[in-house]
Amino acid sequence: SAVISQKPSRDICQRGTSLTIQCQVDSQVTMMFWYRQQPGQSLTLIATANQGSEATYESGFVIDKFPISRPNLTFSTLTVSNMSPEDSSIYLCSVDGRRVLFNEQFFGPGTRLTVL
Amino acid sequence: DQQVKQNSPSLSVQEGRISILNCDYTNSMFDYFLWYKKYPAEGPTFLISISSIKDKNEDGRFTVFLNKSAKHLSLHIVPSQPGDSAVYFCAASPTQGGSEKLVFGKGTKLTVNP
Repeated sequence: SAVISQKPSRDICQRGTSLTIQCQVDSQVTMMFWYRQQPGQSLTLIATANQGSEATYESGFVIDKFPISRPNLTFSTLTVSNMSPEDSSIYLCSVDGRRVLFNEQFFGPGTRLTVL
Repeated sequence: DQQVKQNSPSLSVQEGRISILNCDYTNSMFDYFLWYKKYPAEGPTFLISISSIKDKNEDGRFTVFLNKSAKHLSLHIVPSQPGDSAVYFCAASPTQGGSEKLVFGKGTKLTVNP
C-alpha cells in the first residue's frame, strides 16, 4: 500500500479566494486522482493527473476552477479557485495500487474545506 | 443520475451479529467492485473487492457477494465488532485496473453496538 499525506488537513476560507491542496505519496505512482465529497454525497472524481501531461477532467469540472499540477511522480496539487460556499467539501487525493491484478486505489486523509 | 446506489444511509447492529450492507448499480459496463471503509477525519480505506467473473469473495470476517444479473452486491461482516463502526462506500469500475476511475455510492453508516 501507499502512504499518502495531504496539506492542509482543514481550512476555513473566504468567498472569492483560492486554496491549494497538496498531496504527497511515499512512493512513485503513475496515476493520481482528485475527488470531492460534498456533505451527504458520494465521492466524485474531479480529475486524473498524470506526471508530465495535462490533467483529465470529469464532466462538470474545469481547469480554470480546479487547476492541477503534477510536477513529479510523488506529488500533486489541486487548487480550488474563486471559492464559493458550494465548494465546501472534503477533497481527497488517491493513487493507483501497485498490484498487477485487481488493483485498488489508496486515499489520502482528505482536506476539509469550509467556505464562508 | 447515480450509477452506484446505497439505499440505506445507516445501519445499526449488535456486536456479534451479522451486518449486511447493500449496493446496487445501473451501468452494465462495470466489471470490478470495491468496498471502502471510512472513519471520521480519515480517508477511505480499501476493504475488499470482487471481479465480475466471481460471485463471492471472502477475506476473514468480510465477504462480498455479487449478483450480476440483478446488478446488486452486498458486504457481509460476521461477526460484527464495535470497531467496524464506520461509513462503508461501495465503488465500481469498468475494469480491474486501478488506473480507471471509481464511481462511488453515497455510503452507509454502520454502527455496531456493544
